[in-house]
Amino acid sequence: GQQVMQIPQYQHVQEGEDFTTYCNSSTTLSNIQWYKQRPGGHPVFLIQLVKSGEVKKQKRLTFQFGEAKKNSSLHITATQTTDVGTYFCAGHLATGTASKLTFGTGTRLQVTL
Amino acid sequence: GAVVSQHPSRVICKSGTSVKIECRSLDFQATTMFWYRQFPKQSLMLMATSNEGSKATYEQGVEKDKFLINHASLTLSTLTVTSAHPEDSSFYICSAAGGGNQPQHFGDGTRLSIL
Repeated sequence: GQQVMQIPQYQHVQEGEDFTTYCNSSTTLSNIQWYKQRPGGHPVFLIQLVKSGEVKKQKRLTFQFGEAKKNSSLHITATQTTDVGTYFCAGHLATGTASKLTFGTGTRLQVTL
Repeated sequence: GAVVSQHPSRVICKSGTSVKIECRSLDFQATTMFWYRQFPKQSLMLMATSNEGSKATYEQGVEKDKFLINHASLTLSTLTVTSAHPEDSSFYICSAAGGGNQPQHFGDGTRLSIL
C-alpha cells in the first residue's frame, strides 16, 4: 500500500548545526504538508507545498517539493533548542480521497547546547 | 490559527470500561474530522474519517464496533472505545479540516491507559 518514508529516523545535533529530513512517497502526491510535534504535544501545521519543484521558506526553515511530486525535504539552518521535536511530512494522494492525509514515519530531532 | 479542543486529555480506567473522547472545532466549521492513534515514538495512524451527518469511513484493520465514531454537528465528533482492554492503551488524537486538501488542525490528544 501507500507508504511515506522519512529519513533519518532520529538526529541529534548541536545548537547552530544544520538539519535536514527527507520524505519519500511510493506514489505521486497532489500536495505535501509538514507538521511539527513537540514531545508530549500534538502535531502543528507548518506549511503546504502544491507545485512540482516548489520551494518555500519560513525564517530558518526551507521546504522543497520534488519535481516528480513524490519527495520532499525540510532543511533547518542553524538549529536552536526550540527546534526540538518530531517533524512529519504528510501528503494527499494524487488519486486518493481528497481529505485523507498519509503521514510519513517522522524524524525526531534533538538539539543540545 | 484554528483551534481544536479534545477532551479528556488523560484517562485511566479498568478493563471492560467504555471511554468516550470528544473533539470540537472551536472557531471554524469542520467539514471533516479525523481520528488517529499514535504509539510512542511512532507516526500517526489514521483510524477513521468522519463527515458530519454521515457514517465514518474506517481504515482497514480498524474495528467499527470497537471504535464508535459519531459526528453529529460541524463542530463535534466523538470517539467511543467500547469495552476497552489493555491493548487499546494509546494516544488518540483528533483533527479537523475545512475540506478538500486543507491543512488539518489537531486537538491536544487523549492518553488512554487501560489497567
